[in-house]
Amino acid sequence: DQQVKQNSPSLSVQEGRISILNCDYTNSMFDYFLWYKKYPAEGPTFLISISSIKDKNEDGRFTVFLNKSAKHLSLHIVPSQPGDSAVYFCASPYGGSQGNLIFGKGTKLSVKP
Amino acid sequence: KAGVTQTPRYLIKTRGQQVTLSCSPISGHRSVSWYQQTPGQGLQFLFEYFSETQRNKGNFPGRFSGRQFSNSRSEMNVSTLELGDSALYLCASRPGGQGRYGYTFGSGTRLTVV
Repeated sequence: DQQVKQNSPSLSVQEGRISILNCDYTNSMFDYFLWYKKYPAEGPTFLISISSIKDKNEDGRFTVFLNKSAKHLSLHIVPSQPGDSAVYFCASPYGGSQGNLIFGKGTKLSVKP
Repeated sequence: KAGVTQTPRYLIKTRGQQVTLSCSPISGHRSVSWYQQTPGQGLQFLFEYFSETQRNKGNFPGRFSGRQFSNSRSEMNVSTLELGDSALYLCASRPGGQGRYGYTFGSGTRLTVV
């Protein structure tokens, strides 16, 4: 049973436009979320996080929105750049401890020049 | 400062053999976790070590084991390899405790079982 779901395996966006990556979760006890970016042959790189006491967190071109009632979060990248092409994972720590991250299956973003 | 180092980067083993993977965390980091990435299952948690003690364990068979040394370096071992163990094995470290800090991942070890 997937507790963190990324229903879009892939997304293609034109350079300069907005990329929106979505993530849904089923466990209402999840109160912290992280986004990771992964290039082939490399480990995931931490991008941005959000606590459930907020509904938005921004860091440069990256903004994460959290809708607790819908159990949904999204990562917005504005403007998208070709270097953003990678697989993006949404994750949440199980049981409140970051020792055990539950990951979504990822969304592969392709930003075309 | 140096990142998380995993060795070897690539490994080919035969079914039935055993394998040991190594992870050196960022200096000062006391928590090390291991994850398995496969195309079908995505990233799945194996176990976490903190100060040489296993703190959390994922839903994997007993063939998967690990340990952590006093210098925080960690190893994971897979015995009696099966074809389905072919995966990217990722190690991640963080300072420790229960702080809300994102893990730093290594580049992984690509294990192929033939």
